[in-house]
Amino acid sequence: AQSVAQPEDQVNVAEGNPLTVKCTYSVSGNPYLFWYVQYPNRGLQFLLKYITGDNLVKGSYGFEAEFNKSQTSFHLKKPSALVSDSALYFCAVRDEVTGGFKTIFGAGTRLFVKA
Amino acid sequence: NAGVTQTPKFQVLKTGQSMTLQCAQDMNHNSMYWYRQDPGMGLRLIYYSASEGTTDKGEVPNGYNVSRLNKREFSLRLESAAPSQTSVYFCASRTLSGGTGDVAFFGQGTRLTVV
Repeated sequence: AQSVAQPEDQVNVAEGNPLTVKCTYSVSGNPYLFWYVQYPNRGLQFLLKYITGDNLVKGSYGFEAEFNKSQTSFHLKKPSALVSDSALYFCAVRDEVTGGFKTIFGAGTRLFVKA
Repeated sequence: NAGVTQTPKFQVLKTGQSMTLQCAQDMNHNSMYWYRQDPGMGLRLIYYSASEGTTDKGEVPNGYNVSRLNKREFSLRLESAAPSQTSVYFCASRTLSGGTGDVAFFGQGTRLTVV
């Protein structure tokens, strides 16, 4: 079965420090991977995606993610965290079993950035 | 540019009451989705519609029905609400092709409480 796992419920980081939010995946075939962010009382917003090509993907708000096929990981990173980055982050994978019509989401990781 | 619009934003129901959550998208997307979000459980797919005229069950369809009214609109109905259906409900839409292919666009959510 295809799945994504976010091993950390919460990540705490000081403003200005680099941040990493972890994600591992399990898929058959080539993965289509995504990161979304959710701010309080809002729907999810797309940050970035990996389909193919360069293993380092750049996205919105200065975020990037590194695809690592051997470790089946797709960790979200940012060189310098901002307080405004505090939010809930979801990793996701396209479900190829259903012809790509569904997206499977991880449980989410809450990021706290302290001033 | 409205994107995905959900109504209502908040609702309180008594056990056994029925209601319909409305969703409309203006991005000409073929696929539409209903998710529920519960603390610690991430997003769980209730039903989806890969294209106009089709609907399929997701992970947690029991107690719900859907209607894909046309390409723009996808409604979710609770026939007899139960306290276990207290949740935040999100509608999303997606296309599989083009620059935003595979990216899900979300509404702002409906916070439903069943008492």
